[in-house]
Amino acid sequence: DAKTTQPPSMDCAEGRAANLPCNHSTISGNEYVYWYRQIHSQGPQYIIHGLKNNETNEMASLIITEDRKSSTLILPHATLRDTAVYYCIVRALSDSNYQLIWGAGTKLIIKP
Amino acid sequence: DAGVIQSPRHEVTEMGQEVTLRCKPISGHDYLFWYRQTMMRGLELLIYFNNNVPIDDSGMPEDRFSAKMPNASFSTLKIQPSEPRDSAVYFCASSPWSRRTDTQYFGPGTRLTVL
Repeated sequence: DAKTTQPPSMDCAEGRAANLPCNHSTISGNEYVYWYRQIHSQGPQYIIHGLKNNETNEMASLIITEDRKSSTLILPHATLRDTAVYYCIVRALSDSNYQLIWGAGTKLIIKP
Repeated sequence: DAGVIQSPRHEVTEMGQEVTLRCKPISGHDYLFWYRQTMMRGLELLIYFNNNVPIDDSGMPEDRFSAKMPNASFSTLKIQPSEPRDSAVYFCASSPWSRRTDTQYFGPGTRLTVL
């Protein structure tokens, strides 16, 4: 599975949109981009995933560049409860490999 | 649904003692994962099961670690004997089988301290 690069930390003002970047320049055509987050003292939580098209759900939007070498997770109206470590993971769906490779993630701090 | 349930939430034990961590996955999920998280090494996959069968245990650090899944609703991770370097947060996660997604749903974790 391809590797990802994320900034170690970011700040965002409460109520503003938080834009978290992720580089995955070696991504393969069959690899999806997944985002999880981990709030302090909790287990990781799935946010969203996508292959080529932009995706949106009740939590966030995922924007994937046309060449698929990078993506941005957007939290449209950040709240203090969105303070967490955000992980960008790329992987191919495979019956023989079910592993998620977790990097260090981006520590997002939402400030009042 | 109650989500993935783990017990105990906190465990403090002394070196050399046996430790058993428990997990109840989400009903209907075919895959179960055990992870360990430390500040130094981040989140590491230890072992995962598909339909109660261990598929990949290459992440299990030593023979002191063992995991079982006797049925679809219960799994255990056992450490015997425990050592201080085993201190970590241990997460269990489960996932439904699908060709479009393999989203993993995590439990709240067990914080293990070995003195």
